[in-house]
Amino acid sequence: SQTIHQWPATLVQPVGSPLSLECTVEGTSNPNLYWYRQAAGRGLQLLFYSVGIGQISSEVPQNLSASRPQDRQFILSSKKLLLSDSGFYLCAWNLEGPYNEQFFGPGTRLTVL
Amino acid sequence: GQQVMQIPQYQHVQEGEDFTTYCNSSTTLSNIQWYKQRPGGHPVFLIQLVKSGEVKKQKRLTFQFGEAKKNSSLHITATQTTDVGTYFCAGYDRGSTLGRLYFGRGTQLTVWP
Repeated sequence: SQTIHQWPATLVQPVGSPLSLECTVEGTSNPNLYWYRQAAGRGLQLLFYSVGIGQISSEVPQNLSASRPQDRQFILSSKKLLLSDSGFYLCAWNLEGPYNEQFFGPGTRLTVL
Repeated sequence: GQQVMQIPQYQHVQEGEDFTTYCNSSTTLSNIQWYKQRPGGHPVFLIQLVKSGEVKKQKRLTFQFGEAKKNSSLHITATQTTDVGTYFCAGYDRGSTLGRLYFGRGTQLTVWP
């Protein structure tokens, strides 16, 4: 069966520090991968998605970047965090087209102080 | 651009009362998905509707897709405390540039015992 992992689960970082969040999927091949951010009590904002290794589409211009160095690995990064980067970061995957159901990871709760 | 609006943002009901959340799109959707996110958890896929006028049921949950494929609703009959959480709709627009899912902001349901 397929599983999706995210780490760390929680993170507290000072403003201006770098960020690296990792997401890995097991039990499937060539998944579509997504990064979402959810502010407290708010909806899901799509940040990046990827249909294959090295293929990244960005939804919102900001100080975040994403990379997909391996088929089932998706990394979210920042060189300098802002206060507004605080939130709940969710990684998700699905197969074939974007119209298929998405499976979400447990998320990383990031607090920037 | 594509938007998916969801109302209400919050709903507080007493256990046993019914609950409905509504989703409206600015464009015709290819399909619509519904997700549930428990407090502190991650979104979990509930169902997908594809056909115009489609109605699907899962126990006390009834999902509808409008005839014009621009709106959808989720109705819960006789709510229970286990129904607590945020319900998201997500529409897929095949005509969008990136072909991605558009999430509504969610309806946060609180159920009083």
